[in-house]
Amino acid sequence: NAGVTQTPKFQVLKTGQSMTLQCAQDMNHEYMSWYRQDPGMGLRLIHYSVGAGITDQGEVPNGYNVSRSTTEDFPLRLLSAAPSQTSVYFCASRPGLASNTIYFGEGSWLTVV
Amino acid sequence: RKEVEQDPGPFNVPEGATVAFNCTYSNSASQSFFWYRQDCRKEPKLLMSVYSSGNEDGRFTAQLNRASQYISLLIRDSKLSDSATYLCVVRGYGNNRLAFGKGNQVVVIP
Repeated sequence: NAGVTQTPKFQVLKTGQSMTLQCAQDMNHEYMSWYRQDPGMGLRLIHYSVGAGITDQGEVPNGYNVSRSTTEDFPLRLLSAAPSQTSVYFCASRPGLASNTIYFGEGSWLTVV
Repeated sequence: RKEVEQDPGPFNVPEGATVAFNCTYSNSASQSFFWYRQDCRKEPKLLMSVYSSGNEDGRFTAQLNRASQYISLLIRDSKLSDSATYLCVVRGYGNNRLAFGKGNQVVVIP
């Protein structure tokens, strides 16, 4: 059972660089989302998607782009990395908007220097 | 006021003891409540949903107090493996957004 797969697990970026965090799920879930988790802040929603071709902004979308060309994949792009984007990123999915159980990926630890 | 508030702790608990902690929420129209468990450097995983009448799952008991707008989690007979951060998650009425608390860190001491 693969579930939600995120890559890379660890990444160090220089300020100004761009990169993409990959996320894939094999559960045919409609709803996918990206969160960041910072010390003392809890999980904050960056972007989400309710289905292929549909994306929307969460609480903290600035500096990030997403796309949802297929049901399975939901990549998160950092356009020009900043030290404030140093965080742990979690991709998550659930069967639909009404579903309460969230399935998280294992997380991606990103450091921007 | 933050949407979901938790005392981060840590809650240091002797092995075998009982520990309880609360989570308060600000939106009185919130409809669904959950506890997630997050181990160090791991992803959160659903521990249990919280029902209006309260519910148990083994050594874990969850309660909801709508009048005072808080949910609680009680762990009986604590095990070393219970050491983790427990995240409170609240879902609002009429929307599908989930709000996360910062978590209660529990450390079970031998």
